[in-house]
Amino acid sequence: NFMLTQPHSVSESPGKTVTISCTRSRGSIASSSVQWYQQRPGSSPTTVIYENHQRPSGVPDRFSGSIDSSSNSASLTISGLQTGDEADYYCQSHDSNDQVFGGGTRLIVL
Amino acid sequence: QVQLQESGPGLVKPSQTLSLTCTVSGDSINSGGYYWSWIRQQPGKGLEWIGYIYKRGTTYYNPSLQSRVTISLDTSKNYFSLNLNTVTAADTAVYYCARVVLVEPAIVPSWFDSWGQGTLVTVSS
Repeated sequence: NFMLTQPHSVSESPGKTVTISCTRSRGSIASSSVQWYQQRPGSSPTTVIYENHQRPSGVPDRFSGSIDSSSNSASLTISGLQTGDEADYYCQSHDSNDQVFGGGTRLIVL
Repeated sequence: QVQLQESGPGLVKPSQTLSLTCTVSGDSINSGGYYWSWIRQQPGKGLEWIGYIYKRGTTYYNPSLQSRVTISLDTSKNYFSLNLNTVTAADTAVYYCARVVLVEPAIVPSWFDSWGQGTLVTVSS
């Protein structure tokens, strides 16, 4: 099957913009939708992006998603960083009926 | 708004079977457009998809766990269950149940839109 590789951690200052990448190891990133989940310590994951770039109701437009076929990767961009954005972020996609999560990225808002 | 709640023993002995139930409220597991899934998170680690089930009983499992996993559902009581047999310490994790959305016209569900709070299961003698 395939893997989704994320950086272990990223850090940025409040008010700035950060981008988290998610690279697919095998098969096209465009072949299946990519989702992004936020998980704060001690809490369940919640969706911040689905279907590559869609935001669920209630998620601020500071969160955006995209895919790039040239690098076979997806990206989550968070602008106007807030301390409350500090969390683990996971990408997820699938290959047929095999669902795969990335290893997660810890976002540190300094 | 759909709510999911995991329940089951918090401690399981090695080589025994881990059994959990996810009770769904605010939606029927018999409704179309959704699959019902289990995901786990070992301590300090990332998310691992275990498998899911559709209302008709069709199941799909993570290939790495397939030989030990069974997911079933009870539409009359609106819950679905996880059985993981022959457990070891490596199966110690927080187990989540979740609803997975089937976005038409796709035939494979894509995103996990609602999650339970999770339940910690420790495998130890």
